[in-house]
Amino acid sequence: NAGVTQTPKFRILKIGQSMTLQCAQDMNHNYMYWYRQDPGMGLKLIYYSVGAGITDKGEVPNGYNVSRSTTEDFPLRLELAAPSQTSVYFCASSYEGGSYNSPLHFGNGTRLTVT
Amino acid sequence: AQKITQTQPGMFVQEKEAVTLDCTYDTSDPSYGLFWYKQPSSGEMIFLIYQGSYDQQNATEGRYSLNFQKARKSANLVISASQLGDSAMYFCAMREEPGGMKTSYDKVIFGPGTSLSVIP
Repeated sequence: NAGVTQTPKFRILKIGQSMTLQCAQDMNHNYMYWYRQDPGMGLKLIYYSVGAGITDKGEVPNGYNVSRSTTEDFPLRLELAAPSQTSVYFCASSYEGGSYNSPLHFGNGTRLTVT
Repeated sequence: AQKITQTQPGMFVQEKEAVTLDCTYDTSDPSYGLFWYKQPSSGEMIFLIYQGSYDQQNATEGRYSLNFQKARKSANLVISASQLGDSAMYFCAMREEPGGMKTSYDKVIFGPGTSLSVIP
């Protein structure tokens, strides 16, 4: 059981480049989330999704885009990378069913550096 | 809007002693869930404990317990008998109940975290 898988683990981008961070889960979770964690800080919600075709903005969505075409995958797109996007990115998923007591299951993170 | 506050950036505790990590939250929703996560230096996020807003009793999971005071909007994590392996960042998080009249779906928001160091 793989859980939540994020790729790549590490990436260095030049300013202005674009990339897609991949996230896949095999637990049939409907809810998926993208967070960023700057050094020494907490997690900030970028985007989230409650099912295929449904996404919504979190606390810090600027500079990012998402799509959710399947239950399993929730890629995060960075367009025109900036140094301020240097961070560790975490993908997470959880059950739904009208219940708010489902914990998030996290991937191992993607460490992104923009120079 | 949801908001989580953790006022202790760093804490120290002697091995085998108990420690309390503070968490206060702000929400206008009567139904919500509160979570605590541990992040060791290796970086992974580990779920520790959950408390629902309607739960009558404080949650416990092994050496972890949650001191839930709903009227004060606080959900402090208590770690008993601290071990060296408890040294890590600890994050409090909240999820509001989905659906109803809200136009946004259920977000899960995290606090800034507390760094705990266990001293031998």
